[in-house]
Amino acid sequence: QQPVQSPQAVILREGEDAVINCSSSKALYSVHWYRQKHGEAPVFLMILLKGGEQKGHEKISASFNEKKQQSSLYLTASQLSYSGTYFCGATVVISNFGNEKLTFGTGTRLTIIP
Amino acid sequence: DSGVTQTPKHLITATGQRVTLRCSPRSGDLSVYWYQQSLDQGLQFLIQYYNGEERAKGNILERFSAQQFPDLHSELNLSSLELGDSALYFCASTEGPQPAFNEQFFGPGTRLTVL
Repeated sequence: QQPVQSPQAVILREGEDAVINCSSSKALYSVHWYRQKHGEAPVFLMILLKGGEQKGHEKISASFNEKKQQSSLYLTASQLSYSGTYFCGATVVISNFGNEKLTFGTGTRLTIIP
Repeated sequence: DSGVTQTPKHLITATGQRVTLRCSPRSGDLSVYWYQQSLDQGLQFLIQYYNGEERAKGNILERFSAQQFPDLHSELNLSSLELGDSALYFCASTEGPQPAFNEQFFGPGTRLTVL
């Protein structure tokens, strides 16, 4: 089942902050975040495993709330280079790791304007 | 540069035809994943191979098939093409077999246009 991302699109001025949410109807094992610029390949940002950890990557960090089955990506003091479409990917809890799949959300388009 | 290569970069063909997309993973990576991305859509997982064996299947149509060869490169075969198959096809690779734990490195993609 595809995770749901919100918002679908957001426009920010340079220096502003943004939060992108990713929710699942199933229990999550891990959440992945990728950024894709137009016409390019997705680029990995971070992986969060169940346990509610928070990770950081420069001014981009994320949290994982296992109970709510959701993850949030935080972009602080946004830069022009942050523009792109952000995808979360989720793997769900299954009985064994024989064939778990990474399912991506529909994406959040982030536009940063000067 | 992710280290993953895909050929061709662009492919234009007609309905009913068959095409083959090729992917070479990063050196040392044993897993290859194929994704389809239609215009302004998300990444739809098609299939995963690990060390030559099919490991997981997603929403792959019966008209599509894939394989991974002993040198670890992979090919995605699309047959009886329809207009709706027009999309960007990405392959990605990881070192290990489990997508839950592994960062995926994406290739530049093959843009398929079916006329």
